[in-house]
Amino acid sequence: ETGVTQTPRHLVMGMTNKKSLKCEQHLGHNAMYWYKQSAKKPLELMFVYNFKEQTENNSVPSRFSPECPNSSHLFLHLHTLQPEDSALYLCASSQDRATGREQYFGPGTRLTVT
Amino acid sequence: KQEVTQIPAALSVPEGENLVLNCSFTDSAIYNLQWFRQDPGKGLTSLLLIQSSQREQTSGRLNASLDKSSGRSTLYIAASQPGDSATYLCAVVPMDSNYQLIWGAGTKLIIKP
Repeated sequence: ETGVTQTPRHLVMGMTNKKSLKCEQHLGHNAMYWYKQSAKKPLELMFVYNFKEQTENNSVPSRFSPECPNSSHLFLHLHTLQPEDSALYLCASSQDRATGREQYFGPGTRLTVT
Repeated sequence: KQEVTQIPAALSVPEGENLVLNCSFTDSAIYNLQWFRQDPGKGLTSLLLIQSSQREQTSGRLNASLDKSSGRSTLYIAASQPGDSATYLCAVVPMDSNYQLIWGAGTKLIIKP
């Protein structure tokens, strides 16, 4: 266990549904990240929060909406997704958003959009 | 723009062999390089982190080397075991990236009993 948990582990949703992914870290970290991992492609950084402030949004479509209510919790709200959004969504945390800070990953949520 | 490449995409070797996984990057201006392991259905586990000023790091049967000038890193696994079967990813933090990790696509390793 890395100290980062994600729920649900698996999610199947239709294109008109609204759902949310949850991430929680028990490490006392101040930075949290959302990544997308598609088959046979490098991980794509989606969003970064540092001390509850969003510091990066890597041109992610607005159908993905992050929320960071406190340093321990991170959500990814999903609505009107497309089939190509099917992927493994990974959450990570680190002490803060500084160079050399090791990131700790959760187990991921396997999302399938039908 | 920094790019990270891992070759081969998949590798299968008999148990007990020593093996080397390769990672190359196009821009030598990096803060550090990290190797991760990913098991099916699970997240990533950090294995080794090499700072730009270092040449190698060791942890148990794992040894990672870094040659910034040639844009290469290797992960050496000694006396491989079936439990080493996983996908291995490398990632670099470029100096102009706002500390963002740039990832390779990974090498899927299978150790045959």
